[in-house]
Amino acid sequence: DAKTTQPPSMDCAEGRAANLPCNHSTISGNEYVYWYRQIHSQGPQYIIHGLKNNETNEMASLIITEDRKSSTLILPHATLRDTAVYYCIVTRNTNAGKSTFGDGTTLTVKP
Amino acid sequence: DAGVIQSPRHEVTEMGQEVTLRCKPISGHNSLFWYRQTMMRGLELLIYFNNNVPIDDSGMPEDRFSAKMPNASFSTLKIQPSEPRDSAVYFCASSHPGGLAGGSSYNEQFFGPGTRLTVL
Repeated sequence: DAKTTQPPSMDCAEGRAANLPCNHSTISGNEYVYWYRQIHSQGPQYIIHGLKNNETNEMASLIITEDRKSSTLILPHATLRDTAVYYCIVTRNTNAGKSTFGDGTTLTVKP
Repeated sequence: DAGVIQSPRHEVTEMGQEVTLRCKPISGHNSLFWYRQTMMRGLELLIYFNNNVPIDDSGMPEDRFSAKMPNASFSTLKIQPSEPRDSAVYFCASSHPGGLAGGSSYNEQFFGPGTRLTVL
């Protein structure tokens, strides 16, 4: 798995968009970008993933740069319940399914 | 589906005792993962299984730890003997087969609620 770099913490005002960056400059052509989050005392939860195109689902949007060396997770209207640790993971989409979680970004949404 | 089920949710034991953590993956998932999370070390992958076979146990800290998956619907993580430094939250996760064929396959992991282990 390619190494990822995320800021340790970020703040966001409630109702505003939260933009969480991730650098993965050593990503390989067959590696996907996954985002998970972990709300305090709960197990991590899958958010979204992508290969090279931008992706959107009911939770968030994922913007991947053209060179694929970085990505941004966007929570369009952050709420207090979005306060969590957000993990960016880069891994091959293989049957092994193994992912390595780094330190992530602690997002604090403030009223 | 009830999701990944782990038991017990909380376990308090004394040093030297045997501890067994249990996990029931989501039906139809063929990959199962055991993680440990502490404040100091974050979320660490201990071992994962594919089709009930252990694929990578390089994250298992030492011989005191062992994991089994006797069938597709059950796995255990055992610590014998337990030590205070084993205190952590242990998560189990399962995933679909995934694969490279087709653009829509993926290996999203579904995590259980975790077992909080305290070794006194």
